Amino acid sequence: EPEVTQTPSHQVTQMGQEVILRCVPISNHLYFYWYRQILGQKVEFLVSFYNNEISEKSEIFDDQFSVERPDGSNFTLKIRSTKLEDSAMYFCASSRTGPGLGELFFGEGSRLTVL
Amino acid sequence: DQQVKQNSPSLSVQEGRISILNCDYTNSMFDYFLWYKKYPAEGPTFLISISSIKDKNEDGRFTVFLNKSAKHLSLHIVPSQPGDSAVYFCAASARTFPQGAQKLVFGQGTRLTINP
Repeated sequence: EPEVTQTPSHQVTQMGQEVILRCVPISNHLYFYWYRQILGQKVEFLVSFYNNEISEKSEIFDDQFSVERPDGSNFTLKIRSTKLEDSAMYFCASSRTGPGLGELFFGEGSRLTVL
Repeated sequence: DQQVKQNSPSLSVQEGRISILNCDYTNSMFDYFLWYKKYPAEGPTFLISISSIKDKNEDGRFTVFLNKSAKHLSLHIVPSQPGDSAVYFCAASARTFPQGAQKLVFGQGTRLTINP
């Protein structure tokens, strides 16, 4: 069964360092997303990406964050200068169809710990 | 800004009985609702969805009910099994978002424990 894969599964970094989280969405999907879940809190939307550009982003997704689809298979989230409050589980998701037409498939997540 | 609320952080049910998880929403623009199940250290897994044109959708042991006037939906699991023990998230989206964006707004989750 096709799945969304994420690497690394866990990354520990020092505050101020740059981090890149990688995702391989399901191959025939066209819509890509990043969500995050701070420990004990709800899953929060960060950004959606379609047709090689950001479709929507939340207020969390400030200038420290960027996304890229560098080739036909990878989808990355970069945090330029990490802060303590960026510590969270980051989930990549993809979907084949657009708004309200189907479910998002999530990866297993990348746990980011900022010290 | 809690547009989607799951007011019960936890629920404990006997194996074989019915589990009922509840979710309320405030944004009347939401027209598509989903339930996800999440185990520790894993991503959310899609369970079942419902469009606002329906009031019920059933898939095996899982049934979702939508009451648009009350802005309330519920997930029924019957019969409950030990493997159903997980955190359940309600999520909602609105068709009015820009093309290509299916932003899901999640509730806080309800931890369901099925006791043998």
